[in-house]
Amino acid sequence: GAGVSQSPSNKVTEKGKDVELRCDPISGHTALYWYRQSLGQGLEFLIYFQGNSAPDKSGLPSDRFSAERTGGSVSTLTIQRTQQEDSAVYLCASSLPGHPSGHSQETQYFGPGTRLLVL
Amino acid sequence: GESVGLHLPTLSVQEGDNSIINCAYSNSASDYFIWYKQESGKGPQFIIDIRSNMDKRQGQRVTVLLNKTVKHLSLQIAATQPGDSAVYFCAEDDQGAQKLVFGQGTRLTINP
Repeated sequence: GAGVSQSPSNKVTEKGKDVELRCDPISGHTALYWYRQSLGQGLEFLIYFQGNSAPDKSGLPSDRFSAERTGGSVSTLTIQRTQQEDSAVYLCASSLPGHPSGHSQETQYFGPGTRLLVL
Repeated sequence: GESVGLHLPTLSVQEGDNSIINCAYSNSASDYFIWYKQESGKGPQFIIDIRSNMDKRQGQRVTVLLNKTVKHLSLQIAATQPGDSAVYFCAEDDQGAQKLVFGQGTRLTINP
């Protein structure tokens, strides 16, 4: 495939419902990231997966947020009991792994995002 | 805590002029910086990056300058075109943790 894909592109849900957002990374990219972007704001880091390592969940805002990555490829971000403040664009990015030194970042390529609106 | 921010939230330039977008960062340990362009309704698109062992890097019509002394990063766009209209974000890596910290963004508008 060409780039990172995300689905759905738009999601409207009612407060209190659960939602699942999907990300298909670029083939061969072992690193996958989720970010949240509120209207007119920068990107807020949520979670990072790298290969078979334990994910870095330090950016998840609450225990209502969770993510998994199956088979080292597709990832799903789940928001339980959605709240109105969860309304945002959720962006996924993927990259090649960094250098073994751990001090070299590889470029992250972003998907188009899922626009979530919680009513 | 560490943060990356931008001096100006909006920038308006005449078509054909050069644009300079600035970014200040606070984490002196950051060693990798990226500029992203985000058009309306799309995800951020990589423009150019620079590592801390460099102070300048050039791409096609874009140049990134890094001044580690004052922790300042800038993106220069030559001969700005209507297609350059977008929000531009700078980002730094989180001390090699592969977790980017983004600034708030600068909206660049092009006047005909």
